[in-house]
Amino acid sequence: GAGVSQTPSNKVTEKGKYVELRCDPISGHTALYWYRQSLGQGPEFLIYFQGTGAADDSGLPNDRFFAVRPEGSVSTLKIQRTERGDSAVYLCASSSDPTDTQYFGPGTRLTVL
Amino acid sequence: AQSVTQLGSHVSVSEGALVLLRCNYSSSVPPYLFWYVQYPNQGLQLLLKYTSAATLVKGINGFEAEFKKSETSFHLTKPSAHMSDAAEYFCAVSGPQGAQKLVFGQGTRLTINP
Repeated sequence: GAGVSQTPSNKVTEKGKYVELRCDPISGHTALYWYRQSLGQGPEFLIYFQGTGAADDSGLPNDRFFAVRPEGSVSTLKIQRTERGDSAVYLCASSSDPTDTQYFGPGTRLTVL
Repeated sequence: AQSVTQLGSHVSVSEGALVLLRCNYSSSVPPYLFWYVQYPNQGLQLLLKYTSAATLVKGINGFEAEFKKSETSFHLTKPSAHMSDAAEYFCAVSGPQGAQKLVFGQGTRLTINP
């Protein structure tokens, strides 16, 4: 079956702009996660959704970052007033429930000029 | 709080040699432990996971890992390296019963020499 998909695969933007990154989880997966992977580092947790609600947003670095999952399927990570330090690969993962294996998408590479 | 330390950011072995990638963890609760592999320009793929059952876990592509509570380690091994094993490997720990967020190590880049 189809895996986790993320769009766009690459996004280049200018400092101060607003960006949206989209994640389509595996069909039927109720849990959805966002991670950020900076160059040469392991992924860092940002936020976790169970259904439509954010169950844990403790990894969001500041109030410029927020994410939604209005219908419990697709999720959008939104970044306001982008900064050069936001440049990273943003990874999405989903699982059938919070205790199950997380399956990762290919990521969106964000470059802020 | 949980954390993971991967010893060695780069490991290089010859084709056919033993692969050993080291991972130590810190967790205040019984952990679930994972190894993921990341090929260039691809997402993370699960190699194997420890879920408090057998301490020796076998995964895909001939990899295995052993959970050693006394050493707080979960090292990844493969008896004979193949060129296709060249990739970045990440060890990760999660909360009780595998719940919720993963905490990753910084990764180990494995290079295979012909």
